[in-house]
Amino acid sequence: AQSVSQHNHHVILSEAASLELGCNYSYGGTVNLFWYVQYPGQHLQLLLKYFSGDPLVKGIKGFEAEFIKSKFSFNLRKPSVQWSDTAEYFCAVTPNQAGTALIFGKGTTLSVSS
Amino acid sequence: EADIYQTPRYLVIGTGKKITLECSQTMGHDKMYWYQQDPGMELHLIHYSYGVNSTEKGDLSSESTVSRIRTEHFPLTLESARPSHTSQYLCASSRQGRETQYFGPGTRLLVL
Repeated sequence: AQSVSQHNHHVILSEAASLELGCNYSYGGTVNLFWYVQYPGQHLQLLLKYFSGDPLVKGIKGFEAEFIKSKFSFNLRKPSVQWSDTAEYFCAVTPNQAGTALIFGKGTTLSVSS
Repeated sequence: EADIYQTPRYLVIGTGKKITLECSQTMGHDKMYWYQQDPGMELHLIHYSYGVNSTEKGDLSSESTVSRIRTEHFPLTLESARPSHTSQYLCASSRQGRETQYFGPGTRLLVL
């Protein structure tokens, strides 16, 4: 069965530290990849997505992610986190076929101290 | 900002009661989804719909049922709530052919 693994359950950083959240998926075919973020008390929001093309994608608020097909990975990065980045981050995958739903990882809680 | 709404946001109810969780979207999206999320766990798909009169069960078995009579509306019903149904339920929608899903704020259900 397809699955998504997020390696870090809870990450604690100080402001201005660099961030990298790991995401690996298990699916051998072409995939669409997503990172969603949920700020405290808010909806899940799309942070960035990869469908095709340049494997380095940039999202909102200075986040970026790199798709490495050979490693089945789609890690999320930010060079300098802010207190307002405190949130829960979910990696999600869908096979690149019509009519398939998202498969989510368990999420990573990021806590940024000021 | 996506326009997808869920009501109620919070619900505390006794065992055996029938409940309906509402989800509506004003974006004209064909596809709609229900996910269940327990604290600290991933979202699990429990139902989805690709259009009016189309409903399918998701990966996670659920005793809930859904209907899709109108494009914009995708309610989820539990005929007899049990404590094991305590969870957060998230509704989402997407446009046909585009897999970016937009999420509602969720309903936190507590069954006593």
